[in-house]
Amino acid sequence: DADVTQTPRNRITKTGKRIMLECSQTKGHDRMYWYRQDPGLGLRLIYYSFDVKDINKGEISDGYSVSRQAQAKFSLSLESAIPNQTALYFCATSDPDRRGRGEQFFGPGTRLTVL
Amino acid sequence: DAKTTQPPSMDCAEGRAANLPCNHSTISGNEYVYWYRQIHSQGPQYIIHGLKNNETNEMASLIITEDRKSSTLILPHATLRDTAVYYCIVNLSGYALNFGKGTSLLVTP
Repeated sequence: DADVTQTPRNRITKTGKRIMLECSQTKGHDRMYWYRQDPGLGLRLIYYSFDVKDINKGEISDGYSVSRQAQAKFSLSLESAIPNQTALYFCATSDPDRRGRGEQFFGPGTRLTVL
Repeated sequence: DAKTTQPPSMDCAEGRAANLPCNHSTISGNEYVYWYRQIHSQGPQYIIHGLKNNETNEMASLIITEDRKSSTLILPHATLRDTAVYYCIVNLSGYALNFGKGTSLLVTP
């Protein structure tokens, strides 16, 4: 089983609809992240959470909200989807250590299309 | 976060070494250099990281200049499966990553 899973993998929705993307991880990491990727660009940070009680905005949080239901679960919501939120969304987890590795483990992505 | 500069694209013949450069002239003393790659729209994959010393693992080698203002990722024997976008990222350990546009590496037969 994958360490970081995302559901759904693909979603087509209409403008104005509320959408929730879910992320679950079995790595036992405290830190979780949501990124968005547009064609030809690198990933951009939407929100991140360093533990269940900690939520932080990233570079492009407008139009999005998140919920950290448990250490293993981090959900991203689009309250009223708009076409320019059409993108590939990635969830990731990490756990910093003293050796600086702190690598992030990414889920397979959710491809969202807003019509 | 320190910013990085990478060439937008590079080619490499299969079996040859692929050397991917990265400039990070504003790196601070406690920031690490990380390399990730993304194959076709999959989730990015960690390759290697370093602070001051050169590093090697089963995937690649990382050469960091003495002044830490630039680095080179080396794939010693590139294969077609190494075709991907490679991201050089400078960051504190365990924090969110600033990906930039990366270098699109094409490995040709």
